[in-house]
Amino acid sequence: EVQLLESGGDLLQPGGSLRLSCVGSGFSFNNYAMNWVRQAPGKGLEWVSGISGGGATKNYADSVKGRLTISRDNSKNTVYLQMNNLRADDTAVYYCAKDPNTSGRTDYFDSWGQGTLVTVSS
Amino acid sequence: EIVLTQSPGTLSLSPGERATLSCRASQSISSNYLAWYRQKAGQAPRLLIYGASSRATGTPDRFSGSGSGTDFTLTISRLEPEDLAVYYCQQYGSSPTSFGQGTKLEIK
Repeated sequence: EVQLLESGGDLLQPGGSLRLSCVGSGFSFNNYAMNWVRQAPGKGLEWVSGISGGGATKNYADSVKGRLTISRDNSKNTVYLQMNNLRADDTAVYYCAKDPNTSGRTDYFDSWGQGTLVTVSS
Repeated sequence: EIVLTQSPGTLSLSPGERATLSCRASQSISSNYLAWYRQKAGQAPRLLIYGASSRATGTPDRFSGSGSGTDFTLTISRLEPEDLAVYYCQQYGSSPTSFGQGTKLEIK
């Protein structure tokens, strides 16, 4: 059974930094692209970033380019999201989501974690 | 970026009825790369349909997807109380991928 477990969410002030982690199990982690999708309170879903199975290809939504960085450590079955210069509109539940393919091209998301909450407020 | 517009915003139906949810794209979606998700309250989204009409593993056959180009539909043939949720469509034919704003399905 595929399982994705996020951690690292917190309450922080505008301009702060945070690193989210997502550990995957139940599948060959390095064979699949991974993504982060966020959901602001009471709002819809927004794709944030994706990384190919080998880690060479990374993509970002325009809203986070230059502030958020995705990476992965396949030896630890973990994908990360480094978040810098955070703003109030980054407040959301951040979901880790598995792609059905290995390439850097984002497809649909066949498994999701339970999410981790990031709150940015002064 | 492709904008997806879902309708109606809210749908209220009784158990056993048929639900029809619409997702319309601002431009044609390549290869019918359109997915549907169900999100129950307090839970993560769950994939129902991909490629416009292929059911994901574990999706009951009450759920069916159809459409092409710019107009897509999710049909739930016989509603059950557990179908109370928000349903989202997602296009992955063009970069960046994008989601619709959701349709809330209420069960009377």
